[in-house]
Amino acid sequence: SQKIEQNSEALNIQEGKTATLTCNYTNYSPAYLQWYRQDPGRGPVFLLLIRENEKEKRKERLKVTFDTTLKQSLFHITASQPADSATYLCALEGGGNKLTFGTGTQLKVEL
Amino acid sequence: EPEVTQTPSHQVTQMGQEVILRCVPISNHLYFYWYRQILGQKVEFLVSFYNNEISEKSEIFDDQFSVERPDGSNFTLKIRSTKLEDSAMYFCASTEWTSSSGNTIYFGEGSWLTVV
Repeated sequence: SQKIEQNSEALNIQEGKTATLTCNYTNYSPAYLQWYRQDPGRGPVFLLLIRENEKEKRKERLKVTFDTTLKQSLFHITASQPADSATYLCALEGGGNKLTFGTGTQLKVEL
Repeated sequence: EPEVTQTPSHQVTQMGQEVILRCVPISNHLYFYWYRQILGQKVEFLVSFYNNEISEKSEIFDDQFSVERPDGSNFTLKIRSTKLEDSAMYFCASTEWTSSSGNTIYFGEGSWLTVV
């Protein structure tokens, strides 16, 4: 069956460092992958979309890579700030334009 | 920036009661979704809706669930006879168009349903 894995353990980093979050998937060949941010008690907020024919996408301090051979996406936040603290969700195209989400990785940026 | 709005933000209901969760998608969007998130778990797809009919539904979306677009702006999720396991945050989402190469999906802030 299809499986999407994100680090279930929280990631704690110092302000100014680069945070790197991982999304691995199996039994799946998605046409695209998306990353969302979710704050406690709030809805997911779209950050970036990367398509299967794209290796890398950037938006301001965010960078996403997509390796369809490794079946992995990496999400980077450079020059991290305490305001970046949130849970980050990986979501894959699940067929029929629906999204299949991972469990998310909680990021905490400390001063 | 336009947003998806949901009401109520929180509802407590007794087991067996009917619940209607309401959503106003972004005005020029044509595709609508409901997702749910049980506390501490991942966001799960329930149903997608286009052109006044269900496009796709998950195995979670059984006969006790229904969706409707009663007018030009609202999109509702009805749970006919709630169970304890229906307690979750329900997210409405919409997008302007869809394609095999993907598009941004906008989520609302959610309706937190507690079944007691």
